[in-house]
Amino acid sequence: NAGVTQTPKFRILKIGQSMTLQCTQDMNHNYMYWYRQDPGMGLKLIYYSVGAGITDKGEVPNGYNVSRSTTEDFPLRLELAAPSQTSVYFCASTDSGNEQFFGPGTRLTVL
Amino acid sequence: GESVGLHLPTLSVQEGDNSIINCAYSNSASDYFIWYKQESGKGPQFIIDIRSNMDKRQGQRVTVLLNKTVKHLSLQIAATQPGDSAVYFCAERKAGRRALTFGSGTRLQVQP
Repeated sequence: NAGVTQTPKFRILKIGQSMTLQCTQDMNHNYMYWYRQDPGMGLKLIYYSVGAGITDKGEVPNGYNVSRSTTEDFPLRLELAAPSQTSVYFCASTDSGNEQFFGPGTRLTVL
Repeated sequence: GESVGLHLPTLSVQEGDNSIINCAYSNSASDYFIWYKQESGKGPQFIIDIRSNMDKRQGQRVTVLLNKTVKHLSLQIAATQPGDSAVYFCAERKAGRRALTFGSGTRLQVQP
């Protein structure tokens, strides 16, 4: 199993541009999550999903959107990139809630 | 407000010594407390969890202690190795929820 994969690994955006961060898991997990991690800080939950077709806001959802059309994929959309969205983004999945499996992350810089 | 926080941002230990990483929490409604390890440039990795009705749980070289009276959580690593060098996060899960709330992390540095 590849586990949780994320693309791209790195991206530089200009203010106002949009992009989609891709996340795919091959473990048939129902629960998927998007976090952001600012330098030297912990992870903050952006959005999560408990199954295909169901999504919910986390702690810091503003400026982001998600969709969950399949069990495997959970893309995160940034519509109007802002410098405050410069961060490392992690996708995770689980079937139990406590042991979340994380992807390698996407490092995003907005200039 | 509700939060999960850490006492020390950096902990430096000698190889072979035991390490103790501490975490304070304020949300008494949490059902589980969890420890994650994050190596440089990687995503966090699950270490161990403990249910709120337990005081202690042991894993391979790790022990988690939960003191509900003072709302304190600790992770003990026995015979610390260079490969243990990482940032350690505590997290909590509220009853009935599948989302976690993470603390800000402690960096463990293992000196040879």
